[in-house]
Amino acid sequence: KNEVEQSPQNLTAQEGEFITINCSYSVGISALHWLQQHPGGGIVSLFMLSSGKKKHGRLIATINIQEKHSSLHITASHPRDSAVYICAAHFGGSNYKLTFGKGTLLTVNP
Amino acid sequence: EAGVAQSPRYKIIEKRQSVAFWCNPISGHATLYWYQQILGQGPKLLIQFQNNGVVDDSQLPKDRFSAERLKGVDSTLKIQPAKLEDSAVYLCASSFGLAETQYFGPGTRLLVL
Repeated sequence: KNEVEQSPQNLTAQEGEFITINCSYSVGISALHWLQQHPGGGIVSLFMLSSGKKKHGRLIATINIQEKHSSLHITASHPRDSAVYICAAHFGGSNYKLTFGKGTLLTVNP
Repeated sequence: EAGVAQSPRYKIIEKRQSVAFWCNPISGHATLYWYQQILGQGPKLLIQFQNNGVVDDSQLPKDRFSAERLKGVDSTLKIQPAKLEDSAVYLCASSFGLAETQYFGPGTRLLVL
């Protein structure tokens, strides 16, 4: 069964802290996405990756295909980073549909 | 570039009533998705279109939900009749093609009383 698990479910940090959110998946994938959802807002795609590491500003996403695991890191966290972060995987198949994790609610306090 | 547009943003109805949501994807995007997101959960794919054809509707409750994308551009999702458990945010997303980055609309928040 195609499953995506995220941890932690909730995360509270102080401004400036280094943050890590984890994602694991059950079987091989073709690609993995990290998405950001602000309260009451839409979803924004942060990264799509199938191997290695990607960086955009203070955000870094890594994936280990052998261990079926990905991490999203935020350096020098800021209150505006407060949001739900969602991991989603393409498990292959002709339609490339995404299977989503339940999300991690991040709160960064000033 | 204009993003994915959805309307209405909010809707409150009573159970057994009907409701329809509209989505206009980013111009040129062939793939369109409708997701249901229940509070505290990740989005669940309801239906995926490639142009005006259905690619996946395996999780669409077809006894009450229907969707169409007649001209391969904008799309409507209908619920008839609504149940209490349909209360959720309905998200529309589009992408240039399969396995490409998906761009999400702001969502329609539905409350069924």
